Amino acid sequence: EPEVTQTPSHQVTQMGQEVILRCVPISNHLYFYWYRQILGQKVEFLVSFYNNEISEKSEIFDDQFSVERPDGSNFTLKIRSTKLEDSAMYFCASSEAYRGGGYTFGSGTRLTVV
Amino acid sequence: ILNVEQSPQSLHVQEGDSTNFTCSFPSSNFYALHWYRWETAKSPEALFVMTLNGDEKKKGRISATLNTKEGYSYLYIKGSQPEDSATYLCAFIDSGGSNYKLTFGKGTLLTVNP
Repeated sequence: EPEVTQTPSHQVTQMGQEVILRCVPISNHLYFYWYRQILGQKVEFLVSFYNNEISEKSEIFDDQFSVERPDGSNFTLKIRSTKLEDSAMYFCASSEAYRGGGYTFGSGTRLTVV
Repeated sequence: ILNVEQSPQSLHVQEGDSTNFTCSFPSSNFYALHWYRWETAKSPEALFVMTLNGDEKKKGRISATLNTKEGYSYLYIKGSQPEDSATYLCAFIDSGGSNYKLTFGKGTLLTVNP
């Protein structure tokens, strides 16, 4: 069964540093996403990506965040200058994008900002 | 802001018990309701995608029902086993959006004691 793969599984970074989280979504899915879960809180939507551009972003997804799909397979989330409050589990996902269609999630990257 | 609530927050049962949890969501602008099973360090695993009022879906010992008019879904596990221990997440898609974005509840953490 096709999988969404994410790397790394865990990243520790110093406040103010840039991080890049990597994902390989399912290639024949139409929509790609990043979600995150801060410990003890709900999983929350960050951004959706369709047809090689951002289709929707949340209020969380400010100028410090960017996404790219540079080569048709990788899908990356960059945080330019990390803050302590960016510490969370970041999930990449892709969707079949029809009403009864499902999502496939990666196993997440645990980002810890110190 | 869409509000998706799950109850209970956590549940401890004995092996062999049957159990159920609730997801409530906005009854207007319903598009789809997803259930996921999430074990620590693994990908959230899709259980059900529910789209029609009155839907009942089953996967082995797990089943789910949907009432879109009153805005709730139940997840049932019959004869719980220790391997059912996980967090069960529900997520709502509203018809007002176009990106199949998920809005999650906080999850129900199920622990099944042998």
